[in-house]
Amino acid sequence: GENVEQHPSTLSVQEGDSAVIKCTYSDSASNYFPWYKQELGKGPQLIIDIRSNVGEKKDQRIAVTLNKTAKHFSLHITETQPEDSAVYFCAAKDSNYQLIWGAGTKLIIKP
Amino acid sequence: DAGVIQSPRHEVTEMGQEVTLRCKPISGHNSLFWYRQTMMRGLELLIYFNNNVPIDDSGMPEDRFSAKMPNASFSTLKIQPSEPRDSAVYFCASSSHRDGTQYFGPGTRLTVL
Repeated sequence: GENVEQHPSTLSVQEGDSAVIKCTYSDSASNYFPWYKQELGKGPQLIIDIRSNVGEKKDQRIAVTLNKTAKHFSLHITETQPEDSAVYFCAAKDSNYQLIWGAGTKLIIKP
Repeated sequence: DAGVIQSPRHEVTEMGQEVTLRCKPISGHNSLFWYRQTMMRGLELLIYFNNNVPIDDSGMPEDRFSAKMPNASFSTLKIQPSEPRDSAVYFCASSSHRDGTQYFGPGTRLTVL
């Protein structure tokens, strides 16, 4: 079945710098890759997603890239701000329509 | 829409007691998911329903756990009897179809003493 690995587990960046979180997946049939942000005491919330027919998608300061050949996808956050501090999860939708989740990355924005 | 609603937000109980967690999905959504989140195991899918029918319960840890969805606007996750290792945050999520975006509720933090 599908397996998703996420790195790093913790990422600390200076405010204003960029942050990159990477995920790899194992099932070549997976075709949908969402990213969720979880703030303290809240449920995960979708921030951006990408489907396998595109290689990159942007939404203001957030972008996601997908390399189907290498089976990896990444989240890029530019000009980081204090409110970006949270835990970020990647996921891949497998052939059974289930989301398989990465372990999460705790992003810390240093002032 | 108010989003996915879960109750209670916090539950503290003693080992051996029955615990019932409740979820109201977003109106119009026909898929519902129950997750458990712990530091050790991360986010785990327990069970999901499509059109009120359980599709995959392979994530349910053991027979002490059961879930029902009697109608499109309500689901329960029951643990009987509860054990300290069941302590976790339990999330409910819903989507408009099984391969759509999942919207999460605020979660129920369960502590079993």
